Amino acid sequence: QKEVEQNSGPLSVPEGAIASLNCTYSDRGSQSFFWYRQYSGKSPELIMSIYSNGDKEDGRFTAQLNKASQYVSLLIRDSQPSDSATYLCAVKRMDNNNDMRFGAGTRLTVKP
Amino acid sequence: DAGVTQSPTHLIKTRGQHVTLRCSPISGHKSVSWYQQVLGQGPQFIFQYYEKEERGRGNFPDRFSARQFPNYSSELNVNALLLGDSALYLCASSLDILSFFGQGTRLTVV
Repeated sequence: QKEVEQNSGPLSVPEGAIASLNCTYSDRGSQSFFWYRQYSGKSPELIMSIYSNGDKEDGRFTAQLNKASQYVSLLIRDSQPSDSATYLCAVKRMDNNNDMRFGAGTRLTVKP
Repeated sequence: DAGVTQSPTHLIKTRGQHVTLRCSPISGHKSVSWYQQVLGQGPQFIFQYYEKEERGRGNFPDRFSARQFPNYSSELNVNALLLGDSALYLCASSLDILSFFGQGTRLTVV
């Protein structure tokens, strides 16, 4: 079992729709959770972090965390073609300062 | 403010050679981590350095080594390059819990 699992996609949504990206993790000691966006040929860009169960909203992005189910999700409202990218889920244990474990990423395409 | 800077941006090496990649963190950030990202996969943790000391090491062979300098910049060294070392090498800078990546170094081993 991979430590962090994501559907590889591609996930295709029409412009203006809600894109829903999911991630599960196996290490129950994980305490910090992150979503990175990576455009083709570029490096990952941090877009959301979440540490407590529930929802965290930032503009068009909402991160959701359920530690009991070991599940993290990212919702993108009013999706735009510029949101087309690979979205990487990452988890971190607090005892290792920067040992982030990444999923393979979900490729999102937003069609005009 | 400058972000994380890495050099070089692209590099082509021959099998068996060694390579040194460089990273300058965001000003004020004392922690630097290195990741390897193979095409189609997520980044894999290689090393973390904080205040010039190694704080973590991923599951990579001893051919991989790193160090951090007094100005918090860092080098990643890879010896005896293999074709499988071809990847995007990412440096991440962090002050606390959040990590920010540089643009990466694309290494091709031929």
